[in-house]
Amino acid sequence: GDSVTQMEGPVTLSEEAFLTINCTYTATGYPSLFWYVQYPGEGLQLLLKATKADDKGSNKGFEATYRKETTSFHLEKGSVQVSDSAVYFCALSSQGAQKLVFGQGTRLTINP
Amino acid sequence: DGGITQSPKYLFRKEGQNVTLSCEQNLNHDAMYWYRQDPGQGLRLIYYSQIVNDFQKGDIAEGYSVSREKKESFPLTVTSAQKNPTAFYLCASSNRGSGANVLTFGAGSRLTVL
Repeated sequence: GDSVTQMEGPVTLSEEAFLTINCTYTATGYPSLFWYVQYPGEGLQLLLKATKADDKGSNKGFEATYRKETTSFHLEKGSVQVSDSAVYFCALSSQGAQKLVFGQGTRLTINP
Repeated sequence: DGGITQSPKYLFRKEGQNVTLSCEQNLNHDAMYWYRQDPGQGLRLIYYSQIVNDFQKGDIAEGYSVSREKKESFPLTVTSAQKNPTAFYLCASSNRGSGANVLTFGAGSRLTVL
């Protein structure tokens, strides 16, 4: 079945550091790919998405490129801020599927 | 503002009791979902509903029940048959016509069994 694997956390960085959170997936066909973010005590919010190969999703300085050849959708940001501290979830939705499949989440902490 | 409202935010339950978590949306979304979140395990799908009066089991439906009598409401009952109910529960909705199945989430309900 469909699955998503994220890099193990927690990840701790200093402010203005470069961020990469790895995400790889297993799915049939051409799924849509998502990154969601969860701030402490809250629900999830959509951060960005990509619906076909080579698409780049971007939002709030974060980017991720849909790489079908490596089945990956890594999240990157050039200069992180303390306010980026949160849990980040990679997810996929297969064509025609009625639901999302989530990775286990990666907790990110940014120190000033 | 449109959104999803979950209540209560915190709930304590004694073993053997059923509890119901409320989820209401005013986004006019067709589909609604319940996920369970445990530390280090991500989100697991409990139940989902594409239209009123219809719903399907997700990956971990045992010990839970739902109803979808109205488009805007999708309550989840955690029954005494659920062996380990302490968790954070998230309700979500989506518009079936949105193409990429983007979910909008509520703020969550944290259930603790005493």
